Amino acid sequence: QVQLEQSGGGVVQPGGSLRLSCAASGFIFNNYGINWVRQAPGKGLEWVAFIRKDGIDKNYADSVRGRFTISRDTSKNTVYLQVDSLRFEDTAVYYCAREGFGEPWGQGTLVTVSS
Amino acid sequence: EIVLTQSPATLSLSPGERATLSCWASQSISNSLNWYQQKPGQPPRLLISDASSRATGIPARFSGSGSGTDFTLTISSLEPEDFAVYYCQQRYNWPLTFGPGTKVDIK
Repeated sequence: QVQLEQSGGGVVQPGGSLRLSCAASGFIFNNYGINWVRQAPGKGLEWVAFIRKDGIDKNYADSVRGRFTISRDTSKNTVYLQVDSLRFEDTAVYYCAREGFGEPWGQGTLVTVSS
Repeated sequence: EIVLTQSPATLSLSPGERATLSCWASQSISNSLNWYQQKPGQPPRLLISDASSRATGIPARFSGSGSGTDFTLTISSLEPEDFAVYYCQQRYNWPLTFGPGTKVDIK
């Protein structure tokens, strides 16, 4: 069964950090790039970051560049999003999705930035 | 950054009616456009890629058209499960961007 299982969200103070994980199963992980997309409460979708299947090419939204870092560990079939210097406006549900954005997406993980 | 605009913001229709959703890009994106459906509490679901190709398992009542800057998603006859929010997204260049969404609700 093709699956992306997410973990790592939570409540953090402004300026804090979290590491979000997206663990893949049921498909050949090394054949796919992975995206992160977020959705603030009651708002629309915002693409955040992408890592190519080789792990070398990475792209970021302007709103997170320099604060977020995407990486992948092929031994664990997992992609990470390290989110640093968090701001109130980073509060959102974060989803991971395969390159192409087809099924499946991860179930989403909530990051809440609050003092 | 390519800006996507969607119209209308809300579309109120009855089951069985035809829904026509529009998406405009601030510059030409060829056919590099996806459409998604999202229901509350769920991740988005890819409906259409490359402007007109239905994703796996998507019913034939969903169709996409357009190229360049003007795109359309058509639902030929609304089923009860189609009432949701629909987003377009461009994959022409980085950063990838989404439109603000069109909510299709029950009239």
